Amino acid sequence: DAGVTQSPTHLIKTRGQQVTLRCSPISGHKSVSWYQQVLGQGPQFIFQYYEKEERGRGNFPDRFSARQFPNYSSELNVNALLLGDSALYLCASSLIPEIALNTEAFFGQGTRLTVV
Amino acid sequence: AQTVTQSQPEMSVQEAETVTLSCTYDTSESDYYLFWYKQPPSRQMILVIRQEAYKQQNATENRFSVNFQKAAKSFSLKISDSQLGDAAMYFCAYGNKLVFGAGTILRVKS
Repeated sequence: DAGVTQSPTHLIKTRGQQVTLRCSPISGHKSVSWYQQVLGQGPQFIFQYYEKEERGRGNFPDRFSARQFPNYSSELNVNALLLGDSALYLCASSLIPEIALNTEAFFGQGTRLTVV
Repeated sequence: AQTVTQSQPEMSVQEAETVTLSCTYDTSESDYYLFWYKQPPSRQMILVIRQEAYKQQNATENRFSVNFQKAAKSFSLKISDSQLGDAAMYFCAYGNKLVFGAGTILRVKS
């Protein structure tokens, strides 16, 4: 089975531009979460979606938005890019949002965004 | 808000030796999950081990075990018989939304 896939793997954008990152969860997983990992730091939670509904939002500005589609894939959009948005963006999928005994969050390999 | 602190930016261990990575956290919840994730240079986060707060018994997965001290809010990871493939960044994480610590780089010397 395919794991969590993210696209693109790398991209470079200019300040002020907009970017869309994509994530395809593991087949059967209905929950997708997004994390931002700045170089040298731990990932920070951005959004969680389950069954196309937002289930959680981290402390990020409104320039960040996301959505989940009927096939459970997800997009993360960032508007008006700043230099500080340069980071590795990680997507994780799980069967349900609550990571219980028999549920695990599986991560993709991330999208490396560089803002110049 | 929950916070997770990893006070060791970097650790080194000799191959076949044992190393312990430290993690403390802060929460007002009584029931929760704690995790250790490994992030190799490939960037993909891999779950190493998890612990449920209501279980007093420390979790073990092969060479990996934890020392969970709920009252002290401490959750350390012990890696026994270290292997070259264990070299990676290790993150301690809390809860369903996964609040991560800053990470510890583990270097394994042959």
